[in-house]
Amino acid sequence: EAGVVQSPRYKIIEKKQPVAFWCNPISGHNTLYWYLQNLGQGPELLIRYENEEAVDDSQLPKDRFSAERLKGVDSTLKIQPAELGDSAVYLCASSPVGTGNQPQHFGDGTRLSIL
Amino acid sequence: AQSVTQLDSQVPVFEEAPVELRCNYSSSVSVYLFWYVQYPNQGLQLLLKYLSGSTLVKGINGFEAEFNKSQTSFHLRKPSVHISDTAEYFCAVSYNTDKLIFGTGTRLQVFP
Repeated sequence: EAGVVQSPRYKIIEKKQPVAFWCNPISGHNTLYWYLQNLGQGPELLIRYENEEAVDDSQLPKDRFSAERLKGVDSTLKIQPAELGDSAVYLCASSPVGTGNQPQHFGDGTRLSIL
Repeated sequence: AQSVTQLDSQVPVFEEAPVELRCNYSSSVSVYLFWYVQYPNQGLQLLLKYLSGSTLVKGINGFEAEFNKSQTSFHLRKPSVHISDTAEYFCAVSYNTDKLIFGTGTRLQVFP
């Protein structure tokens, strides 16, 4: 079974520029998550999708962050404009269903550096 | 508020020695518990999980954890560590919802 695939692995941009991350979840997984992981910290949920619907985006900074999951499969996370404090690792995860007893499967993440 | 505490930010240990990584969570009626491992420049990989039943849970790579409801703990243990176990370990809790709350992680450093 192929795992969660994220791209790019690394991204370096200047502040105020836009950036986008892409995630392909495990086939058949209806639930998709985007997490933010700051250095030395655990992941923090940004947004959760059930199929194509965003069911929890309470932690997503909507003034600059946006996300979409067209057709309930792949997802993109966008930042516009990027700020210095956005430097972090962005992780995507998926699970078969969005219940608490289902382990989440993580991609390798995108490491974002803002100059 | 729901929270997870990993008291040890770093745990140094010599190869073949036993290790325990501590995890405590805020009390709740129903809880699911997980341990994940993160190797450098990689995502998180599930080590083990507690959903119900036996309080002693065995996972991959020789790790095990024990759920203690009275102490609201879920400590991770391994009787003999290897150099390859050097990584960041995260405890995570789900309070009967789909939302995972992670601890701040414990860096396990194994020395030869």
